[in-house]
Amino acid sequence: SQTIHQWPATLVQPVGSPLSLECTVEGTSNPNLYWYRQAAGRGLQLLFYSVGIGQISSEVPQNLSASRPQDRQFILSSKKLLLSDSGFYLCAWSETNEQFFGPGTRLTVL
Amino acid sequence: QQPVQSPQAVILREGEDAVINCSSSKALYSVHWYRQKHGEAPVFLMILLKGGEQKGHDKISASFNEKKQQSSLYLTASQLSYSGTYFCGTAGRMNRDDKIIFGKGTRLHILP
Repeated sequence: SQTIHQWPATLVQPVGSPLSLECTVEGTSNPNLYWYRQAAGRGLQLLFYSVGIGQISSEVPQNLSASRPQDRQFILSSKKLLLSDSGFYLCAWSETNEQFFGPGTRLTVL
Repeated sequence: QQPVQSPQAVILREGEDAVINCSSSKALYSVHWYRQKHGEAPVFLMILLKGGEQKGHDKISASFNEKKQQSSLYLTASQLSYSGTYFCGTAGRMNRDDKIIFGKGTRLHILP
């Protein structure tokens, strides 16, 4: 069966520091991968999605970037965090029409 | 285009029924329902595909009216465990690369 992992689970970072969040999927090949951000009490904002290695589509222009160095690995990065980057970051995968979320990373930028 | 969910929030007593609606202004291929508990990731409930499906398991079911571009989630004899925020997501094409666009969510609180 397929599983999705995200780490770290929680992160507290100062403004201006770099960021790297990692997501990996097991038990599937060539999945679509997604990064979402959810601000406290809000909806799901799609940040990036990828249909294959090295293929990244950006939905919202901002100071974040994403990379997919391997088939089942998706990385979210920032060179300099802003206060507004705080939130719950969710990775998701899909193979057909169904989409499944990872456990998430809660990021607090101070 | 983001689907519109209604109501935004609902409070029920255990055992009561709830209906959550999701409507879109564009033609839909699929509707996806998720439940998210506080502090946790959204959990997939079900997907309904073009063709006017109805689906259900246990006391949670959903319908999809493609002509009206609407879907409804039905929670029957609600349990305390049903509390959370329900999100609908919609996609307009059969292509697996089409993105799911999520609504703003409906907060459901079940009282004992």
